[in-house]
Amino acid sequence: SQTIHQWPATLVQPVGSPLSLECTVEGTSNPNLYWYRQAAGRGLQLLFYSVGIGQISSEVPQNLSASRPQDRQFILSSKKLLLSDSGFYLCAWSVRFGLNVWGNSGANVLTFGAGSRLTVL
Amino acid sequence: GNSVTQMEGPVTLSEEAFLTINCTYTATGYPSLFWYVQYPGEGLQLLLKATKADDKGSNKGFEATYRKETTSFHLEKGSVQVSDSAVYFCALTDTGRRALTFGSGTRLQVQP
Repeated sequence: SQTIHQWPATLVQPVGSPLSLECTVEGTSNPNLYWYRQAAGRGLQLLFYSVGIGQISSEVPQNLSASRPQDRQFILSSKKLLLSDSGFYLCAWSVRFGLNVWGNSGANVLTFGAGSRLTVL
Repeated sequence: GNSVTQMEGPVTLSEEAFLTINCTYTATGYPSLFWYVQYPGEGLQLLLKATKADDKGSNKGFEATYRKETTSFHLEKGSVQVSDSAVYFCALTDTGRRALTFGSGTRLQVQP
């Protein structure tokens, strides 16, 4: 079966410090990988997604970056954290999105990790 | 672009009450629709899904029907339990971005 791991689970960092959150997936190959952020009292915001090694799509301008050095590894980084970077970061994976006969993506479910809570002070 | 609108919470109910959480969407094409649940301090778990119009997704007593004519996917449960207390997210597939677009979430609090 497939599993997804995120770490660290909790992180407290000062403003201006670097960040590295790591996510790995087991039991599948060539997954789509995602980073979402959930700010306090708000919904989920898609930050990055990746369809393959070295292929990263960024959704919003920010001081965060993502990398995919291996097929099942996805890393979220920052060189200098801001207060506004505080939040709950969720990694997710899915099988390759494809279109069914109705022209939609079918039941391409996202499976989430347990999340990493980042507090920037 | 695609978007999802959920009713604002928190929704506070007594145990065994009937639950409805409204969700409407805006999308091009024919997206798949999902409900995810987030228990305190945890990631999101898929609750149910529907892939085409008039499909009904169901799981753990929860149900939602894909209504294309009203662009809605309301979540219902006939009798809630304290253990159902969580945040519920409605979502749809965004084929162009190969990702899910989520609503803002609705917090449900069930009191004994």
